[in-house]
Amino acid sequence: QKEVEQNSGPLSVPEGAIASLNCTYSDRGSQSFFWYRQYSGKSPELIMSIYSNGDKEDGRFTAQLNKASQYVSLLIRDSQPSDSATYLCAVEDSGYSTLTFGKGTMLLVSP
Amino acid sequence: KAGVTQTPRYLIKTRGQQVTLSCSPISGHRSVSWYQQTPGQGLQFLFEYFSETQRNKGNFPGRFSGRQFSNSRSEMNVSTLELGDSALYLCASSLAGAGGEKLFFGSGTQLSVL
Repeated sequence: QKEVEQNSGPLSVPEGAIASLNCTYSDRGSQSFFWYRQYSGKSPELIMSIYSNGDKEDGRFTAQLNKASQYVSLLIRDSQPSDSATYLCAVEDSGYSTLTFGKGTMLLVSP
Repeated sequence: KAGVTQTPRYLIKTRGQQVTLSCSPISGHRSVSWYQQTPGQGLQFLFEYFSETQRNKGNFPGRFSGRQFSNSRSEMNVSTLELGDSALYLCASSLAGAGGEKLFFGSGTQLSVL
């Protein structure tokens, strides 16, 4: 059973701070990793993808991948109240064209 | 470019009934995946279709089935509904469902079983 683990939170940060969201996965063969944001009552929206070890930056978001440690993270700089949502980590199932999702971390950004 | 469209948005059914949900992928996308989302279990993979063929299947009972048409539109069917089938059902599409491709989700169908 492939597993993707995330702290359910909530993770509370003040406006302007850096939010750090973490994810570990069990499938050593996974090559593709994604972060989705899901607002309450809405569907998941893709915000970042990462395929190689290291950092990938896109605006205020930075995804970090360490395949040796089977660890993916998402940093959100200058957090805004509008970032308050559940963040889902998704990992490609090796050998398949499917994704396994973590249960998500709820982020709360207070003004 | 239109996104993934799911209908209906809400459904209320009673135990024992069956239900059919519909999904139209982004134009040009040929792979359609279905997920069930519940507060306790999160997003769980149901199945994936590509070129009218089921390519992958998750760990759900045979009451859950699906199909894909030649225009890539997909339907999923749940027969003999149980209370535990109450969930948000999400459809996602991608170009070819190849490894590493990004999935784009529809708004989902919220199913309530009474």
